[in-house]
Amino acid sequence: QSALTQPASVSGSPGQSITISCTGTSSDVGGYDFVSWYQQHPGKAPKVMIYDVNNRPSGVSNRFSGSKSGNSASLSISGLQAEDEADYYCSSYTDTSTLVVFGGGTKLTVL
Amino acid sequence: EVQLVESGGGLVQPGGSLRLSCAASGFTFSTYWMHWVRQVPGKGLMWVSRISSDGITTAYADSVKGRFTVSRGNAKNTLNLQMNSPRAEDTAVYYCARVASPYSNYYWFDPWGQGTMVTVSS
Repeated sequence: QSALTQPASVSGSPGQSITISCTGTSSDVGGYDFVSWYQQHPGKAPKVMIYDVNNRPSGVSNRFSGSKSGNSASLSISGLQAEDEADYYCSSYTDTSTLVVFGGGTKLTVL
Repeated sequence: EVQLVESGGGLVQPGGSLRLSCAASGFTFSTYWMHWVRQVPGKGLMWVSRISSDGITTAYADSVKGRFTVSRGNAKNTLNLQMNSPRAEDTAVYYCARVASPYSNYYWFDPWGQGTMVTVSS
């Protein structure tokens, strides 16, 4: 069982927008602005899409955005494209001995 | 080009030992904190271990503490994970990952290596 809770799957049509939620506790998501999001295509390594809640690394499309409210964070993707179909994982610093926790992952299907 | 390449994975018996390595290139390895993250095929990610840029500070997930040891050789640009007494539940793809900025204890990783598969089975 993962420390952070994500929906198992979401879907959307090309051009639409979707949001993936990530729920934690005050020891991780709610207590620190150290939430990041990773995209993983089958057989590939994860790639960071958002860091520190709402920052995009250089090279990541501005169609990706992040936010946080209380113990929950969200990843939004606008203007869905076929290439966005992948698994998405949220991650957060935690003040427990674990240091970093991940969500169970959300499979995004572009219809 | 920044690159991380893991090696050393394979089949290991429960209670045995295995040493994973991660060869870094394209950046000043000695200035970056490094992490290991694992993933059971078809499942989610799990943080395993962290080491500071100078190799002095380490941290481990509770499930591997006392069995796994992270180390680094800055002269050879190499990160290591010594896996002692592995268990079936340690079976996973192991990724090495770099923090995003030098001399920074950040908690987001960029880039990641391609991973090396470890199978613990008799």
